[in-house]
Amino acid sequence: DVKVTQSSRYLVKRTGEKVFLECVQDMDHENMFWYRQDPGLGLRLIYFSYDVKMKEKGDIPEGYSVSREKKERFSLILESASTNQTSMYLCASSDPQGDADTQYFGPGTRLTVL
Amino acid sequence: GDSVTQMEGPVTLSEEAFLTINCTYTATGYPSLFWYVQYPGEGLQLLLKATKADDKGSNKGFEATYRKETTSFHLEKGSVQVSDSAVYFCALSGWNFNKFYFGSGTKLNVKP
Repeated sequence: DVKVTQSSRYLVKRTGEKVFLECVQDMDHENMFWYRQDPGLGLRLIYFSYDVKMKEKGDIPEGYSVSREKKERFSLILESASTNQTSMYLCASSDPQGDADTQYFGPGTRLTVL
Repeated sequence: GDSVTQMEGPVTLSEEAFLTINCTYTATGYPSLFWYVQYPGEGLQLLLKATKADDKGSNKGFEATYRKETTSFHLEKGSVQVSDSAVYFCALSGWNFNKFYFGSGTKLNVKP
């Protein structure tokens, strides 16, 4: 089974802090994604990566950056956390060479910025 | 741009009731359509999918048919169980599967 893990289930940070959210997948997938999930808004794509060191902006990249130094790991960085970034963050991966239309999700990180 | 609209919840049903969750989409070209489910405290899991018009996706008693003429992909189940209580997301993807568009989610509560 594909496994996508996220470094924390719950995280509390203060405004202005630099925050790192880590995601690791164990199935050698090339594509990885970061979403945020907010009530009434569903999932919105922040960034995705289709290879090591390759990334593209999603629909809401402002205030976020990403890093993909290794194929299995995709990090989301909040350079200076703000209260409007309080949300559930979901990481996903997919295999464009195989079942390309299926995304596998991690359990999510619920981030609270005070 | 591409988008998905699904009925707002929460939807509350008694066990063994019939379920319908409506989903309509707007897309250029010929998208693939999906239903994902999120159980409490977990990430999303793929429930079913359909990749072309008139295809029916099915899994765990759930079904959805890709209707191009009405741009819809409604989720149905004939007899829901308490264990089906979750949030259901309709989604679409374009030809390259690099971007997925999700609906806002519909929470289903099934009471015994």
